[in-house]
Amino acid sequence: GQQVMQIPQYQHVQEGEDFTTYCNSSTTLSNIQWYKQRPGGHPVFLIQLVKSGEVKKQKRLTFQFGEAKKNSSLHITATQTTDVGTYFCAGLSDSGYALNFGKGTSLLVTP
Amino acid sequence: KAGVTQTPRYLIKTRGQQVTLSCSPISGHRSVSWYQQTPGQGLQFLFEYFSETQRNKGNFPGRFSGRQFSNSRSEMNVSTLELGDSALYLCASSLLGQASYNEQFFGPGTRLTVL
Repeated sequence: GQQVMQIPQYQHVQEGEDFTTYCNSSTTLSNIQWYKQRPGGHPVFLIQLVKSGEVKKQKRLTFQFGEAKKNSSLHITATQTTDVGTYFCAGLSDSGYALNFGKGTSLLVTP
Repeated sequence: KAGVTQTPRYLIKTRGQQVTLSCSPISGHRSVSWYQQTPGQGLQFLFEYFSETQRNKGNFPGRFSGRQFSNSRSEMNVSTLELGDSALYLCASSLLGQASYNEQFFGPGTRLTVL
């Protein structure tokens, strides 16, 4: 079945450094969604990408969907302590009906 | 609009017991999905309900079941609890469901501890 792999599992950065998490699927995806979960909180939707090669920006966050629609990335420029949390990607396969979540990347930012 | 609510927020049970968790979606949302979250396995999809029908099911044993009512509220039931069922159970609502590219709005979760 479809699997969504996410790397790295953990990332520890100094405030001001950049951060990137990668999401890879074994099959072509119809879309990819990104969620953020703060410690002790619940996942909150960040963005959805649908088109091949799509790039979207939200302030310091840049989201990309690969040309083959099998991978995606989230890049944060100049991290802040408010970026702390776990970032999940979730994809819907071309023939699927349910989102498949990656295991997430936990980001720790120290001042 | 009020967000997704889940009750109870915390629950302690012993092995062999059963448990029922409740989820009230955002008003107007017809799809409710359930997930199990554990530190090692991340977010694992249990099932999705839409207009009182189970639309999708994840890879969980039959001890895990659910239902949805006409007002879109949903319940999930776990029978014969095992230690490994200890987890955060999250429900998420969306307007038309996962296959419609809708964003998922998650509730705060129910933290289940099985002793």
